[in-house]
This record gives sequence, structure tokens and C-alpha cells, in this order.
Amino acid sequence: ETGVTQTPRHLVMGMTNKKSLKCEQHLGHNAMYWYKQSAKKPLELMFVYNFKEQTENNSVPSRFSPECPNSSHLFLHLHTLQPEDSALYLCASSQPGHSSGANVLTFGAGSRLTVL
Amino acid sequence: AQSVTQPDIHITVSEGASLELRCNYSYGATPYLFWYVQSPGQGLQLLLKYFSGDTLVQGIKGFEAEFKRSQSSFNLRKPSVHWSDAAEYFCAFGGSQGNLIFGKGTKLSVKP
Repeated sequence: ETGVTQTPRHLVMGMTNKKSLKCEQHLGHNAMYWYKQSAKKPLELMFVYNFKEQTENNSVPSRFSPECPNSSHLFLHLHTLQPEDSALYLCASSQPGHSSGANVLTFGAGSRLTVL
Repeated sequence: AQSVTQPDIHITVSEGASLELRCNYSYGATPYLFWYVQSPGQGLQLLLKYFSGDTLVQGIKGFEAEFKRSQSSFNLRKPSVHWSDAAEYFCAFGGSQGNLIFGKGTKLSVKP
């Protein structure tokens, strides 16, 4: 399988549940990202990992906990979420370019999360 | 502040008509610029990018975009739209953390 794969594609959870989103990339990239996509808002960067090290945490609430065990896998652990956390969560990967702004991101299809 | 503005939330064009989607950016230097497309229920797919050189860049699916430094713009164009082009289009530039900073997107509808 090639590209960036996200599972599950759809998730419904209660506010007291604990669940995880998984992302896997088969592109040999060294950087991975979580973005949140809500209606009528720009995509919001949540976390960035470079070579398994977290390099960016964009003021994300602690109820979202990322994990990057290796350069190919990225998880987003979810705990005591709020209804306003319902959104499409997109994973992406990239191979760092010659300049920090020159990274071409490849996105997965997303995990649609609904919090009841 | 660094930002991307896509002034049109929703555009409807007839199949076969030409298309131009607007994008303006606010950044301290010349940014690396991108256009992505998102079909319903899908992730984002790269259409084209501008890093340097020729300010008119060609992309996939017959799309092109022109970088105009004086206008801080990077508008996306297609001479003849197909029904399969109906999707949401996002303009972005490269951020300092290796991420992309996106506009809010323009939804394109295509009339038969």
C-alpha cells in the first residue's frame, strides 16, 4: 500500500471515551503532521514530528495526545473530548525540503470524528 | 500576521467555462506557494506549487497558477472546467515549521 493511510475513517465517541486515530505513511518521509479541519475554518495545524521528535505543538489542549513511535506511524490519542472537537482530522507527511517552507505535504483521507 | 486569504467562499461555473480562483497572502518574504484540492470525503491532493523561477506554473488536471509579487497573489486558473473539477480548493504557503498555512478554501460547483 502506498501513500498516507488513516484509520478509522469514521469515529463516534462519547465525551468520557478514550480512542485513538492512526496514521501510517509508506513514502519514506521523515516528517508527519496532524491537522484539524472544521467547517468554515482554515485547516489548523496541531502537531509536527520530525524524525520522531515533536517540533511543534500548536497550543493544542491536553485532551489530544500525539505519539510517533517511528517515522512511518503517527497516532492521536483522544480523551475526554468536547462536542466542539468534532471535525475531520487529517494526517500528512513530507520529506523535508531544502528550506523549511518548501515541504510538499502528502495527506491522508482523514478521520471524521463525532463527539456526542 | 502571516495569512492566506481566499475571498470567494463558493463559486459556481458552467461546464466548459473558464475558472479563476483567487488567493492572496500576507508574508514577510516571497513564500513557497501551493494549491491543493479536496474532493468530498477525501484528503487534500497537491495541484501545483511555486518555489521560484517562472511565475506561471503548470499543475495536474490542466490547472495553472500565476504568482504576482506586486499583488501578493497566486491565483489558480483553468481554461475549461469539467464536472469532475467540483471540489474545494485550498491555497497555502510554507510555514517556518515545515507545515503549510492554509486559506479557508473555495468551494467550486460546476453546472451542466
